[in-house]
Amino acid sequence: GAGVSQSPSNKVTEKGKDVELRCDPISGHTALYWYRQRLGQGLEFLIYFQGNSAPDKSGLPSDRFSAERTGESVSTLTIQRTQQEDSAVYLCASSLSSTGGTNEQFFGPGTRLTVL
Amino acid sequence: GNSVTQMEGPVTLSEEAFLTINCTYTATGYPSLFWYVQYPGEGLQLLLKATKADDKGSNKGFEATYRKETTSFHLEKGSVQVSDSAVYFCALRGSGGSNYKLTFGKGTLLTVNP
Repeated sequence: GAGVSQSPSNKVTEKGKDVELRCDPISGHTALYWYRQRLGQGLEFLIYFQGNSAPDKSGLPSDRFSAERTGESVSTLTIQRTQQEDSAVYLCASSLSSTGGTNEQFFGPGTRLTVL
Repeated sequence: GNSVTQMEGPVTLSEEAFLTINCTYTATGYPSLFWYVQYPGEGLQLLLKATKADDKGSNKGFEATYRKETTSFHLEKGSVQVSDSAVYFCALRGSGGSNYKLTFGKGTLLTVNP
């Protein structure tokens, strides 16, 4: 079946502009995660959604970052007033659940964001 | 908090050489440990995992043993192939309340030459 998909694959924007990144999880996966990978760094956790529970936003680096998810489907990550330090690859992952043996996270190909 | 430290790359080997990529971690409780691989132009894929001390994860000829006494999860392969060229990430998932988050190392780029 289809894996996690993300769009766009590449985004170049000017400093100060807003950007919106999209993630389509695997169908039936209730848990969805966003991570960020800056050059030369490991992946950093940003936010986590599980069903209709309140999301864990503890990894969002500033209030310019926000994310939404409608039910158990698509999620969007929005970065307002982008800064050059926001340049990174943004990865989305989904899993059947968040606990137990069905919590393997499947990753999308990522969106490479470049802020000029 | 949790952290993962892995061997800095890049690592360059000849085909059929022995591979070790070191990974150590800091975490409370009993984390689960993972190796992910990212082939050129592809997304991150789970390579292997171990969920408790002394477990050995294995896949595609790669192995890693969860060593709680040394807080390590080193990745090994006896004979690498050109097709193993990729970036390898060590990661952990904590056992506490936020046990859905993965904490990653910085990644190690492996290049295998024919």
